[in-house]
Amino acid sequence: DIVLTQSPDSLAVSLGERATINCKSSQSVFYSSSNKNYLAWYQQKPGQPPKLLIYWASTRESGVPDRFSGGGSGTDFTLTISSLQAEDVAIYYCQQYYTTLLTFGGGTKVEIK
Amino acid sequence: EVQLVASGGGLVQPGGSLKLSCSASGFTFSDYAMHWVRQAPGRGLESVSAISNTGYSTFDAHSVKGRFTISRDNSKNTLSLQMNSLSVEDTAVYYCVKGSSNGRNNYYYHMDFWGKGTTVIVSS
Repeated sequence: DIVLTQSPDSLAVSLGERATINCKSSQSVFYSSSNKNYLAWYQQKPGQPPKLLIYWASTRESGVPDRFSGGGSGTDFTLTISSLQAEDVAIYYCQQYYTTLLTFGGGTKVEIK
Repeated sequence: EVQLVASGGGLVQPGGSLKLSCSASGFTFSDYAMHWVRQAPGRGLESVSAISNTGYSTFDAHSVKGRFTISRDNSKNTLSLQMNSLSVEDTAVYYCVKGSSNGRNNYYYHMDFWGKGTTVIVSS
C-alpha cells in the first residue's frame, strides 16, 4: 500500500499569510506514460464532507480560488494557500490514485493565528 | 447540480449487518465510477470500496474485503453497500462519492463530489 505522510499535523497562520502543507508518498505516484502525478488534495471544513481542490497534483478544480495551488512531483508534494482567508480554516488531505487501493494522508489542520 | 444522498446508517450490534444506499442525481450516473469512503470519529479518510461505471469492476479495502459488497443499479441511479459481520472498528460516517473516471479495469482517479454521508455506529 502507498502511505502518504502529511506535515505538519496542524499549523496556525495569520490572515493574509501563506500556508504550506506537505505530503510525502512512500513511492512515486508519477506515471511516465501519462506524464502525470496521480495525487489530489481535498478540503474538509467542520461538519462538512470533503471537497476536491486540486487533482493531477497541480490542476485546480473549477470554482476553487486561485490562492490554492498544488506542486511537486514523484514522492513530494505541497499544497499552498497564498493568502489565508478565514473561510480556509479546515483540514486538508492529500490522496493518491496511482494504485487501485486509494489512500489518503492523515490530514493537516489549518487554523488562524 | 450534482447530488448524492446517502441513507441506511444507524446503530447495529457487533456481528450484525446493514445496507447503505446512495441516490444520485445531476449527472449521468452510468458514466462514472463511484466510491464509498468512511471517516471514523475524529479520524481521517479511508477508501472502503469502489465500483466501475458498469459495475463489472469492483475493489474493496483490505479491512472490509469479504465482509462488504459494493453494487450499483444504473437504471435507478443508486449505489449500495452491503455490510456484514460488522465490528466496532466499522463505526464511521460513510460518504458516497462520485469518481472522475469510469473506473474500467479498476483504474480510479480523483473523487470530484462527496455527498453528506450517513452514520454507522456498531455497538452493543
